[in-house]
Amino acid sequence: NAGVTQTPKFQVLKTGQSMTLQCAQDMNHNSMYWYRQDPGMGLRLIYYSASEGTTDKGEVPNGYNVSRLNKREFSLRLESAAPSQTSVYFCASSEAGIAVENEQFFGPGTRLTVL
Amino acid sequence: QKEVEQNSGPLSVPEGAIASLNCTYSDRGSQSFFWYRQYSGKSPELIMSIYSNGDKEDGRFTAQLNKASQYVSLLIRDSQPSDSATYLCAVNGGYSTLTFGKGTMLLVSP
Repeated sequence: NAGVTQTPKFQVLKTGQSMTLQCAQDMNHNSMYWYRQDPGMGLRLIYYSASEGTTDKGEVPNGYNVSRLNKREFSLRLESAAPSQTSVYFCASSEAGIAVENEQFFGPGTRLTVL
Repeated sequence: QKEVEQNSGPLSVPEGAIASLNCTYSDRGSQSFFWYRQYSGKSPELIMSIYSNGDKEDGRFTAQLNKASQYVSLLIRDSQPSDSATYLCAVNGGYSTLTFGKGTMLLVSP
């Protein structure tokens, strides 16, 4: 099992360019998440998908859109990149549901720089 | 807004000592608690989960939960230089989401 995979690993964009970060999991998890991690700010939730067919905003959704393509895949799109979106982006997944256990498993991350 | 607080550190301990990492949370309704380890440049890795008051041990790691005090801790016994990392506390923040603290950096010196 590969777990959670993300592409690309690194990306440099110019202000105003668009791009999509891809995430896939092979653990048959119901829920998937996108976080950004900035120095001194910790992990902040951008969007999540509690189950296939649903998406919800997290703490910092502005400037992003998401698509839950199927149970395995959850993509994050930056329509018009800004320097403030320079960050490390992590995708995570969990079995979740209504049980209290919600162990999330993380992908390797995408390091994005917006010039 | 749900908050999770951690001392940013660094917490410095000598090899073989016990490292104690602490976390407080604001939401009394929280039911699940997690400790993640993150090496520099890597992704967070789950090392412990705890759901009930008391202690939970796994090898050199012990998680402690006190819901009345809204306090979670992680003890690492016989600390090794390889334990040097940032430790993130996470608390369930609502249906299927987690709220993370900003992490405590641990440095274990040989």
